[in-house]
Amino acid sequence: DADVTQTPRNRITKTGKRIMLECSQTKGHDRMYWYRQDPGLGLRLIYYSFDVKDINKGEISDGYSVSRQAQAKFSLSLESAIPNQTALYFCATWDTSNYGYTFGSGTRLTVV
Amino acid sequence: ELKVEQNPLFLSMQEGKNYTIYCNYSTTSDRLYWYRQDPGKSLESLFVLLSNGAVKQEGRLMASLDTKARLSTLHITAAVHDLSATYFCAVDGIGTSGSRLTFGEGTQLTVNP
Repeated sequence: DADVTQTPRNRITKTGKRIMLECSQTKGHDRMYWYRQDPGLGLRLIYYSFDVKDINKGEISDGYSVSRQAQAKFSLSLESAIPNQTALYFCATWDTSNYGYTFGSGTRLTVV
Repeated sequence: ELKVEQNPLFLSMQEGKNYTIYCNYSTTSDRLYWYRQDPGKSLESLFVLLSNGAVKQEGRLMASLDTKARLSTLHITAAVHDLSATYFCAVDGIGTSGSRLTFGEGTQLTVNP
């Protein structure tokens, strides 16, 4: 099983719909992140969490919300999806013992 | 605000040739990461550079970090087609807000026969 699992892998949704992207990890890492990737751009940070009670906005948090339900689970919600939120979304964790980040396989979201 | 710039953004090279990708960043940090991404795939970790002067090599790729110049390089030696991918550098914004990565725009590398 992958260390960081994202569901769904692909999703097409309509403008105005609420959608949740889920991320779970098996490594016991406290720190989890949500990034967005647009074509020709690097990844941009949406939200991050250093533990269950800690949630922080990244550089592009508008239009998104998150929930850290447990150490292993970090969900990203689009309350009312719009077409410019069409992108590839990645969840990641950070290992404090070796400073390494582990990325999930990504969720390709299309808003029509 | 931490900014990370890579150049070139597009690189087309012939097999067997050498080239260097540059990553400049705007504020103090001593943790820098290099990733590879194939089309439609996730990020594969290549190197983690944790101190000034750090140099790491894996196969045909070698990465270095100069924290005083705020510069990292990814050197490709004798390129082969399998190295075709997009390469990202990312800087860890250590500080009161803790660890989080800021990415460069990526360098799309194409190695031609």
